[in-house]
Amino acid sequence: EAGVTQSPTHLIKTRGQQATLRCSPISGHTSVYWYQQALGLGLQFLLWYDEGEERNRGNFPPRFSGRQFPNYSSELNVNALELEDSALYLCASSRGTLGANEQFFGPGTRLTVL
Amino acid sequence: QKEVEQDPGPLSVPEGAIVSLNCTYSNSAFQYFMWYRQYSRKGPELLMYTYSSGNKEDGRFTAQVDKSSKYISLFIRDSQPSDSATYLCAMRVNTGGFKTIFGAGTRLFVKA
Repeated sequence: EAGVTQSPTHLIKTRGQQATLRCSPISGHTSVYWYQQALGLGLQFLLWYDEGEERNRGNFPPRFSGRQFPNYSSELNVNALELEDSALYLCASSRGTLGANEQFFGPGTRLTVL
Repeated sequence: QKEVEQDPGPLSVPEGAIVSLNCTYSNSAFQYFMWYRQYSRKGPELLMYTYSSGNKEDGRFTAQVDKSSKYISLFIRDSQPSDSATYLCAMRVNTGGFKTIFGAGTRLFVKA
């Protein structure tokens, strides 16, 4: 069974640009979660999608947005990039709401903002 | 005050030692408690999760939850160099949208 995949592995952008990160969940998983892991800050919850809808959102500004597609894959968009957005962005998936305690993570996308 | 507090370490132990990793939390509404292991340059992987108070054992790993003290622990018996990783505790409350809160992670080094 293939795990959660994320692309790209690395992304380098300059301040003010937009970044798009992609995630494909494990087959059969309908929920996708996005987290930011900045150095020294641990995982910070960004967004949760289930069945194509945004279910919950963390304490991040509106320039962090995303969507989930009919095939349950997801993308995270970060507009007007700031230097402090540099971090590892992790995607996780689970078997819907009831499976949320068992989130399976992808390898992450390392975003560097210069 | 953070909702979940975890000592970042690093924690260095000799091979074969018993390792104790801990987290404290402030939100008494947390119901589910998880432990993840994260190797360098990899995503976290779920080790185990528990519901409410009590112990749960899985091989060399034991998770313990004390809701009265708002304290959770992960014990690793007979630690191996391959256990060297960052260990993250995580907690969830089933209200307000099933939000999961992670600790900052403890870096563990097991020396051969």
